[in-house]
Amino acid sequence: NAGVTQTPKFQVLKTGQSMTLQCAQDMNHNSMYWYRQDPGMGLRLIYYSASEGTTDKGEVPNGYNVSRLNKREFSLRLESAAPSQTSVYFCASSPAEAASYEQYFGPGTRLTVT
Amino acid sequence: RKEVEQDPGPFNVPEGATVAFNCTYSNSASQSFFWYRQDCRKEPKLLMSVYSSGNEDGRFTAQLNRASQYISLLIRDSKLSDSATYLCVVGGGSYIPTFGRGTSLIVHP
Repeated sequence: NAGVTQTPKFQVLKTGQSMTLQCAQDMNHNSMYWYRQDPGMGLRLIYYSASEGTTDKGEVPNGYNVSRLNKREFSLRLESAAPSQTSVYFCASSPAEAASYEQYFGPGTRLTVT
Repeated sequence: RKEVEQDPGPFNVPEGATVAFNCTYSNSASQSFFWYRQDCRKEPKLLMSVYSSGNEDGRFTAQLNRASQYISLLIRDSKLSDSATYLCVVGGGSYIPTFGRGTSLIVHP
């Protein structure tokens, strides 16, 4: 099993460009999450999807949109990238609510916005 | 006060040493507690869940103190490979858990 996969691993964007980060899990998990991690800030939740067909905002949703395409896939879109969105992005999944269950993380996408 | 607080360190210890980290949380309704490990430029991975009665996994022991609202992680006989950042995670009261900012551990020869 691959677990949680993310593409791309690295990306450089110019300010104003758009892109979609892809995430897929093969563990049949109900819940999926997008985090960003910045130095000194720890992991911050951008959006999550408690189950297929639902999405909710996390702590820092501004500038992002998400799509839970099916049970396996959860994508994160930056419509107009800004330098403040330079970060490492992690996708994660869990069997049910992450407050009670272990989360499994993907390897991350390192995004630089110039 | 931050919801989950950790001493960022770094804790710099020799091989074979015993080291302990604490993590304090502010929400008394919290029900779930975890320690994750994150290696440099890698994703976080679950190290262990923390149960009310405490739990041990080899060289690692996790404890919960509800009265003082903190959890701890004890590492005995430190190895070079234990060098990493240790993230405290607390859940309960909402769907999603709260991550601490992590404690950096460096084990040197």
